[in-house]
Amino acid sequence: GAGVSQSPRYKVAKRGQDVALRCDPISGHVSLFWYQQALGQGPEFLTYFQNEAQLDKSGLPSDRFFAERPEGSVSTLKIQRTQQEDSAVYLCASSLGTGNEKLFFGSGTQLSVL
Amino acid sequence: QQQVKQSPQSLIVQKGGIPIINCAYENTAFDYFPWYQQFPGKGPALLIAIRPDVSEKKEGRFTISFNKSAKQFSLHIMDSQPGDSATYFCATRYSGSARQLTFGSGTQLTVLP
Repeated sequence: GAGVSQSPRYKVAKRGQDVALRCDPISGHVSLFWYQQALGQGPEFLTYFQNEAQLDKSGLPSDRFFAERPEGSVSTLKIQRTQQEDSAVYLCASSLGTGNEKLFFGSGTQLSVL
Repeated sequence: QQQVKQSPQSLIVQKGGIPIINCAYENTAFDYFPWYQQFPGKGPALLIAIRPDVSEKKEGRFTISFNKSAKQFSLHIMDSQPGDSATYFCATRYSGSARQLTFGSGTQLTVLP
């Protein structure tokens, strides 16, 4: 595709529900990142994939957060038993190689937990 | 743990002015310093970037100044336009294996017509 695509664009969840956020990176991009952006703040790193391998998940805030990229392309970020503090924009970014210098971001999924 | 401190939080300039946004970092293992521009409802987009072996880089109306000894870098926007109104984030990249970007807290720039 022309860019990084994320879906859904908006997600409203009741506290305790599970949600799944999808990212379609640019075709052929090796590296994929998930970031969390709270209102009025900069993006914060969650996790990093190189192809299908999750090389770094140090930014995931709790064991309720889980990410996968089983075939090295599409990635899913899953949040179990959502809490109000999970409300944020979740951004996906991809880059062509492993140097991760030029990141292409999607428009994000805005998650609101009620 | 805030590794990149960005200032100011917001900035208002007249069209044609030269807004300057500053960032300071602590970790000398950072090896790449980009600036990203974000419009409402969109993801950040890479604007310009610099490596620590260079003190200045210009691309069009955008200039990065880098001071390695002071561990500071700044973004200058020449001849600013209302279309430049956006949120700007500095970032740093750790030279270790993960190589993820760490972002500053952002500067909301408004350029008045």
